[in-house]
Amino acid sequence: DVKVTQSSRYLVKRTGEKVFLECVQDMDHENMFWYRQDPGLGLRLIYFSYDVKMKEKGDIPEGYSVSREKKERFSLILESASTNQTSMYLCASREGLAKNIQYFGAGTRLSVL
Amino acid sequence: GNSVTQMEGPVTLSEEAFLTINCTYTATGYPSLFWYVQYPGEGLQLLLKATKADDKGSNKGFEATYRKETTSFHLEKGSVQVSDSAVYFCALIDAGQGGKLIFGQGTELSVKP
Repeated sequence: DVKVTQSSRYLVKRTGEKVFLECVQDMDHENMFWYRQDPGLGLRLIYFSYDVKMKEKGDIPEGYSVSREKKERFSLILESASTNQTSMYLCASREGLAKNIQYFGAGTRLSVL
Repeated sequence: GNSVTQMEGPVTLSEEAFLTINCTYTATGYPSLFWYVQYPGEGLQLLLKATKADDKGSNKGFEATYRKETTSFHLEKGSVQVSDSAVYFCALIDAGQGGKLIFGQGTELSVKP
């Protein structure tokens, strides 16, 4: 079974802090994704990565950056957290572009105070 | 652009009732369609998918048929159980944008004994 692990289930941070959300997958998947989930809005794509050191902006990249130094790890960075970034963050991975199933982690619920 | 619209929730049903969750989409071409489910406290799991018109996806008693003429992919189950209580997301894959998933807003289902 594919396993996508997000390092924290819950995080509480203060406005202005730099926040790192970590995601690791164990299936040697090429593609990884970060989504944000908010009530009534579904999931919105923040960033995705086709391969190591590659990244593409999604629909809502403002205020976020990402890092993919190793194939199994994809980090989401909030450079200066703000209260409107309080949300559930979900990481996903996919074997490759020709494969259309994404596997999700359990999510990190981030509260910015 | 491509989009997915789901019926609003929450939906509350009694055990053994019939379930329909409506999903319609707007897309160029013929995208693959998915239903994902999110149980309380967990990430999203793929429930079923269909890759071309008239395909029927099925899993765990749930079914959905890809209807090109009505651009719909409604989720149905003949007899729901308490354990089906979850949030259900309809999604399509946008091959033109790196194969990203575009989600509907989610429909919360609550099944009472």
